[in-house]
Amino acid sequence: DTEVTQTPKHLVMGMTNKKSLKCEQHMGHRAMYWYKQKAKKPPELMFVYSYEKLSINESVPSRFSPECPNSSLLNLHLHALQPEDSALYLCASSQAETGPYGYTFGSGTRLTVV
Amino acid sequence: GENVEQHPSTLSVQEGDSAVIKCTYSDSASNYFPWYKQELGKRPQLIIDIRSNVGEKKDQRIAVTLNKTAKHFSLHITETQPEDSAVYFCAASGTGNQFYFGTGTSLTVIP
Repeated sequence: DTEVTQTPKHLVMGMTNKKSLKCEQHMGHRAMYWYKQKAKKPPELMFVYSYEKLSINESVPSRFSPECPNSSLLNLHLHALQPEDSALYLCASSQAETGPYGYTFGSGTRLTVV
Repeated sequence: GENVEQHPSTLSVQEGDSAVIKCTYSDSASNYFPWYKQELGKRPQLIIDIRSNVGEKKDQRIAVTLNKTAKHFSLHITETQPEDSAVYFCAASGTGNQFYFGTGTSLTVIP
């Protein structure tokens, strides 16, 4: 398995909703990442997990809450989002944080906040 | 931190011609430079990468060159095809395995 799987592919949520994004990989990668991408812009790093521990939080608002239950799974919990949070949320993994190694990206979750 | 600049932002070429995209970086400690291709509505995909101990790397129609002294690296696509049309992002390594992405180049190959 050489893929990163993200679910759901599309999500529409209201500003008072709570939802979660899920990311899974079975390549034995020990670093996992959440990126946010707006249209026609490069991906922006949100969080980095290394060996299931949060190692980088790029000053992301607390309405985004990451979780890494095990080495294969990464979640992003969403609560009280704003319309400007609408974007493509990409998960990625790599062999280890102390690389450098290229990322494998998931297909993303396209989030719309209404 | 690292600052990666990418040019041009848009590029149109005739099918069969070559395309060149250039990136510069600021942090001399960066030692790994991947290139990603992102088709509309799809995930970024790693197409080629180069490490700082190498000056050039080729993979069929794609090549990347690196000039460490000048802190710039370039993507070269020869014999372009319509399926090469996409947005291309360069990146430079930062702390650990964190990457700094360029702003992207939208490449259109005209049949």
